[in-house]
This record gives sequence, C-alpha cells and structure tokens, in this order.
Amino acid sequence: DGGITQSPKYLFRKEGQNVTLSCEQNLNHDAMYWYRQDPGQGLRLIYYSQIVNDFQKGDIAEGYSVSREKKESFPLTVTSAQKNPTAFYLCATSSLGGGLETQYFGPGTRLLVL
Amino acid sequence: QKEVEQDPGPLSVPEGAIVSLNCTYSNSAFQYFMWYRQYSRKGPELLMYTYSSGNKEDGRFTAQVDKSSKYISLFIRDSQPSDSATYLCAMNGNQFYFGTGTSLTVIP
Repeated sequence: DGGITQSPKYLFRKEGQNVTLSCEQNLNHDAMYWYRQDPGQGLRLIYYSQIVNDFQKGDIAEGYSVSREKKESFPLTVTSAQKNPTAFYLCATSSLGGGLETQYFGPGTRLLVL
Repeated sequence: QKEVEQDPGPLSVPEGAIVSLNCTYSNSAFQYFMWYRQYSRKGPELLMYTYSSGNKEDGRFTAQVDKSSKYISLFIRDSQPSDSATYLCAMNGNQFYFGTGTSLTVIP
C-alpha cells in the first residue's frame, strides 16, 4: 500500500513539552515537506528536505526542528519554544525532476495544547 | 502582494450546478499548476495538474490555465454533494505556492 503516513492522528502537548510528529513515505520521492495549516491562513511551509541529511527552513521554522536520516522518513519536532502550536500539520512529498513536480500530502496530524 | 490569490468563499451551489473556482498569481515563471481537494480534517488530495497553458479534462473536472492573464480555473460539472470540500490551487516555480482555499458546499 503506497503513500504517505502520518502519526499520530491527534497529539496533545503540555506546556513546556517537546513533541514529535512522524511522517513516513514509500513513494521513493526525494523531497519531503512540513506545512502548518491554520483556519483562513492556508498552508505555511515549516521545513523541507530535498536529500537525506539536508534540510532547509521554510517561512515559519522558529520553534520547530526536523531531521532526515532516511529517505523515507522526515519527523518534525514541535519544541517548547513554539508558543502557539495548535494547528493541523501536513507532511508532503514530491519527486524532483523528470518534468513532473507535484506534491502529495499525508492525512495530517492535529496538535492540541492541554 | 501574495504570490497566489484565491477567493476563500464560502461558495454554496445546488446539486447539478456548474462550479467555477479561480486563482490569480503574480509570478510569470510558474510552470506547473495544481488543484487539490481537501475534506474536513483530512490531507489535501491532488485532483488535477497542468503544465503551462491550456485545458485539461478529467471526468467532471476541467482545469484551465491562462498564463497571459496569470489566471487559473477549475470547473466542476454536474456538482455532487460529495464535492463539498475546500479546493486549493497551487503552483510551482522554484518552490510550491498555495492559495488559501475556497470552501464549496453542494446542496442536495
């Protein structure tokens, strides 16, 4: 079963706590992305990675961290420095080159603050 | 000015109507144009993509790109209640840019 999986579906964070959102893909796509979606604000790019062991900040990277140790995996950590973490987090992938560059999204993780 | 502008709606139509969803953009370098459908509390699903200008049809959906006007459209014919969702346009230059989405409700 090919695609992008995100876990957990819902995540609750306490004050001062770091939490990690998982994103795994078996599409053999090179690039992976993390977006945050808030009502009325569309998708905002947090981090992206085009190759293993390399990643770049997006528009709203403050308070977040990522790693890309394997091509299939791109976990996102929401740190205690992120003061307003409640949002819907979406992981996406794309293949680079080959003349067709579209993004495919996972099912999302909803993060709530206790 | 935002790279991509999309009317957020909401848009409400009766079942069977033709729906027109639109986006404008500012960067003439964009080459790939995409439409996503997002149901509530789900990830966006890629509906259609086009390269450069022209039309593309897939069943009840038609995507149209007018690069001279920097304007893209998605038409839905014979709209169904199951089409009720938020529709996001997206385009690709050196990175992906997304519209904020248009909320569509198709009333039975």
